[in-house]
Amino acid sequence: DQQVKQNSPSLSVQEGRISILNCDYTNSMFDYFLWYKKYPAEGPTFLISISSIKDKNEDGRFTVFLNKSAKHLSLHIVPSQPGDSAVYFCAALNAGGTSYGKLTFGQGTILTVHP
Amino acid sequence: GAGVSQTPSNKVTEKGKYVELRCDPISGHTALYWYRQSLGQGPEFLIYFQGTGAADDSGLPNDRFFAVRPEGSVSTLKIQRTERGDSAVYLCASSLTAGGRYEQYFGPGTRLTVT
Repeated sequence: DQQVKQNSPSLSVQEGRISILNCDYTNSMFDYFLWYKKYPAEGPTFLISISSIKDKNEDGRFTVFLNKSAKHLSLHIVPSQPGDSAVYFCAALNAGGTSYGKLTFGQGTILTVHP
Repeated sequence: GAGVSQTPSNKVTEKGKYVELRCDPISGHTALYWYRQSLGQGPEFLIYFQGTGAADDSGLPNDRFFAVRPEGSVSTLKIQRTERGDSAVYLCASSLTAGGRYEQYFGPGTRLTVT
C-alpha cells in the first residue's frame, strides 16, 4: 500500500525554466510534508517542508504548495539550474501521532535540468 | 558542524552471516532513525529512537533485525543470518524534533550486499 506516490519517474527541464514535481498521498493522518533531494552515493538532503496548517511555503528558489482537499503537494523550482539535477523525494509524517518520527517516502522523481 | 556519519560505507557479506552497521548522529540530536532503500524506491522506515529507547520499531521486517542506541548517541543496526533480499542501502538520520520542526538529516548510507 503506497501511501505517498510520485507518479512521474522522471522530468526533464531546460535551464532557467520552472520545474514542477508532484506528489500525492492517501493517508489523511499525514500533517507534515517534506521534500528531499538525493545525489548518487549520497544520503537524501532536506530541502523544504510544510505543515498542513499552511498551503504554501517558500525558500529561495523552492516553493512547496499543499492542497489538503486533493491530498496533493508540489515542489516548484524557479529558475531551474543544472545543479538541481537529482532524485527528488516527497515524504510525509503524522506529527500529531505517537510515531511522529516515521517518515513515509514516495518513489522519487529524477529531475534533469539541461543547460 | 559534522553531519551524520555511517560506517562502513560498503559491506559485502555472505548469506547467513551476521553484520553490524554503525551510525553517528549529529551532536545534540536526540532522535535517530534507520531506513532502508532498495534500487528505484524511496527510503523505507525501519526504526527510530528517542534517546536510548526505541520509540517505534514497526518497520523492522523480522526478528533477524535489531538496533540499539545504548548511550543515546551512536546506534548500531544488527542483522543476523543475512539473506540476499537484505541487500540495500541502509540510511541513518537524526533530528532535534523540537519546536514543531520534523526535518531529519541523513547520512550517506551503508551499501549492504549479501552474496
